[in-house]
Amino acid sequence: AQSVTQLDSQVPVFEEAPVELRCNYSSSVSVYLFWYVQYPNQGLQLLLKYLSGSTLVKGINGFEAEFNKSQTSFHLRKPSVHISDTAEYFCAVTDSGGSYIPTFGRGTSLIVHP
Amino acid sequence: NAGVTQTPKFQVLKTGQSMTLQCAQDMNHNSMYWYRQDPGMGLRLIYYSASEGTTDKGEVPNGYNVSRLNKREFSLRLESAAPSQTSVYFCASRTEAYGYTFGSGTRLTVV
Repeated sequence: AQSVTQLDSQVPVFEEAPVELRCNYSSSVSVYLFWYVQYPNQGLQLLLKYLSGSTLVKGINGFEAEFNKSQTSFHLRKPSVHISDTAEYFCAVTDSGGSYIPTFGRGTSLIVHP
Repeated sequence: NAGVTQTPKFQVLKTGQSMTLQCAQDMNHNSMYWYRQDPGMGLRLIYYSASEGTTDKGEVPNGYNVSRLNKREFSLRLESAAPSQTSVYFCASRTEAYGYTFGSGTRLTVV
């Protein structure tokens, strides 16, 4: 079994500032990792994923995340945020050799102020 | 546009009423899922179907039933709705390990 901890329930930031949303996971097997974004009153949309290879993963809308196996982390970053990035962000983990059913974190609300 | 379509988008039920949430995908995905989303709880898996003809319980299956009608369609039924089932319900589909595609959700209120 695996679990995901998103360390911040809410992250306020000013427009054009950098942001990092933190995600830690625990698992006894190899994992795949994902970040999803949910805009108000919408479903979740895949931002990026780590399956294997380079530990730095680039996604849509200028976001990137780095897989750190020793620290069991997969933090999401963006160097300069926009008002339109205001949304809920979910980290998810799934085992790499089984049912691929992900476990989701509880979400981090990114609030970008002008 | 290709994707996952959920109906209805909104629903209000009285306690004890029944209803079926519909989900269809046109991406030829094998696996389909039903989640509920509650404030501060993230997404919790209700039921899933790894392939046509199979269904399995997730983390919170009590009070729900599902039907995988064919490869495209996966419905969720509430036989006797309770206020604790007030939530936003999401259907999703997946091929291999490459992430989910989600529908836009059904907002259900049970009074």
